[in-house]
Amino acid sequence: EVQLLESGGGLVQPGGSLRLSCAASGFTFSNSAMSWVRQAPGKGLEWVSTISDSGDVTYYADSVKGRFTISRDTSKKTLFLQMNSLRAEDTAIYYCVKGGLSSRWAAYWGQGTLLIVSS
Amino acid sequence: DIVMTQSPDSLAVSLGERATINCKSSQSVLYSSSNKNYVAWYQQKPGQPPKLLIYWASTRESGVPDRFSGSGSGTDFALTISSLQAEDVAIYYCQQYYAISWTFGQGTKVEMK
Repeated sequence: EVQLLESGGGLVQPGGSLRLSCAASGFTFSNSAMSWVRQAPGKGLEWVSTISDSGDVTYYADSVKGRFTISRDTSKKTLFLQMNSLRAEDTAIYYCVKGGLSSRWAAYWGQGTLLIVSS
Repeated sequence: DIVMTQSPDSLAVSLGERATINCKSSQSVLYSSSNKNYVAWYQQKPGQPPKLLIYWASTRESGVPDRFSGSGSGTDFALTISSLQAEDVAIYYCQQYYAISWTFGQGTKVEMK
């Protein structure tokens, strides 16, 4: 059974930093592109970033480019999202997603972790 | 970016009746070499993450009831629930994965009449 367990969310002041983690299990992590998708409270879904299965190619939404960095540790089967220069508009539930690039659609979603950016 | 526009924003359907959600992309998401439409549909219930229902515009994910069906090609797509059940009350999103940067429709809220 595929499981994606996010952690690291919380309350951060504007301009602050935070790193999200996603522990993956139930599938061959090294064979799958992974993505982050966020959902602001009461709003729709917004793609944030995707990383290739090998980790050598990354993509970002314009809204986070230059501030967020996606990475992965294959040995630990863990996906990360380093978020810097956080803004109020980054407040959202962040979902770890199995999918993207050659892995196409968002096949599996974690339960999400909530980030609140507020002073 | 490819813009995905859903209609309606919400709809109320009686138990056992049909519900149809439309999704229009701002450009074709049909990949000609494979003749596949790069569209997926998701269901999101309150307090839960989205769940994949349909991919390649019309292929049902394993375990999804056959009352859910997807159709369309090019720029116009639809998700149909043939006989609405109480557990189908949710928000439904279409998504394109034709571009590396996924985009989603704004969501359609399906309620029981």
